[in-house]
Amino acid sequence: GDSVTQMEGPVTLSEEACLTINCTYTATGYPSLFWYVQYPGEGLQLLLKATKADDKGSNKGFEATYRKETTSFHLEKGSVQVSDSAVYFCALSEKAAGNKLTFGGGTRVLVKP
Amino acid sequence: NAGVMQNPRHLVRRRGQEARLRCSPMKGHSHVYWYRQLPEEGLKFMVYLQKENIIDESGMPKERFSAEFPKEGPSILRIQQVVRGDSAAYFCASSPDRGNLRNQPQHFGDGTRLSIL
Repeated sequence: GDSVTQMEGPVTLSEEACLTINCTYTATGYPSLFWYVQYPGEGLQLLLKATKADDKGSNKGFEATYRKETTSFHLEKGSVQVSDSAVYFCALSEKAAGNKLTFGGGTRVLVKP
Repeated sequence: NAGVMQNPRHLVRRRGQEARLRCSPMKGHSHVYWYRQLPEEGLKFMVYLQKENIIDESGMPKERFSAEFPKEGPSILRIQQVVRGDSAAYFCASSPDRGNLRNQPQHFGDGTRLSIL
């Protein structure tokens, strides 16, 4: 079945540092890929997405590129802020599976001033 | 346009009681998904419904759990005879009716945090 693996946290950074969260996936078909962010006590918010190979999703300074050859979708940000402290989830969906989302375990990021 | 609305935000039940969780999707959305998040874990798919129909319930426990999405009103996730292991955050997501479903992101509610005493 489909699966998503992402690096475990917590990841602790100083403000303005670079952030990379690795994400790899296994899928039977040709999935769409997503990054969601969860702030404390809230639901998930879509951060960015990519629907085909070599697509780059970007939003709020975050980027991720759909790499079919390495089955990866790593999340990057060049300069983090304290407000980026949250849990980040990598996820995939497949049309053949009714577009239900398969999530990674989440990576907690803490940015210190 | 209001987002996905879930209620209650917090629900406390004693073992053996029933829990009912409600989800109103965004306007214009007829696809509803339920996910469960255990403490310090990712979300796991439970069930996918489209107005009055269960499309995929492959993630639902075989007993005690049921879901519905009637023609009128919110989607309901029902857990009968709750046990301690049911303690979790339950999230509902919806996606729109139009367009290529593959490219439509799911919009999440803020979840219901269920605690079993």
